[in-house]
Amino acid sequence: AQSVAQPEDQVNVAEGNPLTVKCTYSVSGNPYLFWYVQYPNRGLQFLLKYITGDNLVKGSYGFEAEFNKSQTSFHLKKPSALVSDSALYFCAVRDGGTGGFKTIFGAGTRLFVKA
Amino acid sequence: NAGVMQNPRHLVRRRGQEARLRCSPMKGHSHVYWYRQLPEEGLKFMVYLQKENIIDESGMPKERFSAEFPKEGPSILRIQQVVRGDSAAYFCASSPTSGGYSDTQYFGPGTRLTVL
Repeated sequence: AQSVAQPEDQVNVAEGNPLTVKCTYSVSGNPYLFWYVQYPNRGLQFLLKYITGDNLVKGSYGFEAEFNKSQTSFHLKKPSALVSDSALYFCAVRDGGTGGFKTIFGAGTRLFVKA
Repeated sequence: NAGVMQNPRHLVRRRGQEARLRCSPMKGHSHVYWYRQLPEEGLKFMVYLQKENIIDESGMPKERFSAEFPKEGPSILRIQQVVRGDSAAYFCASSPTSGGYSDTQYFGPGTRLTVL
């Protein structure tokens, strides 16, 4: 069965510093990986996804993520954090093998960027 | 191009009543997903529908919950005889017609259900 883990409940970063939000996954087939961001009382907004090809995926708002097959990870990164990046971030996975169209979301990581 | 629409945004019901949540997908999208989010938790998949078809309902509770996506009109998530444990935010997402594994899902703003 597919699963996704976000090992950190919270990440604290100073504005201007690089940020990393971690995600690891488990699937039986090919992984389709997604990152979403959620602001208070709002729905999820799509940031980026990995389907195939280049392991470094660039997305919205300056975010990028690196797919690492050997470590089954898909960490979200940004070179220089902004206070406005403070939000709840979700990693999600679809299993291209046996998972059907179900998308499994991680528990979320809350990012705090301090000015 | 309007995004995914959900209504109502907030819904209050007493125990035993019925809750109906509506979702209108983005224009050109014919695939709808429903998720439930409990406070301080991630989203839990409930059901995936195409027009007039339920494709995957493996996340739906066996009783009291049902979903439909008719040929015309919005998708409806129906919860009968609500209990306090049903209190949560319910999110709808839609994806384009191709319906592939790599399709991005676009989320609505959610309906926050409170059961008194």
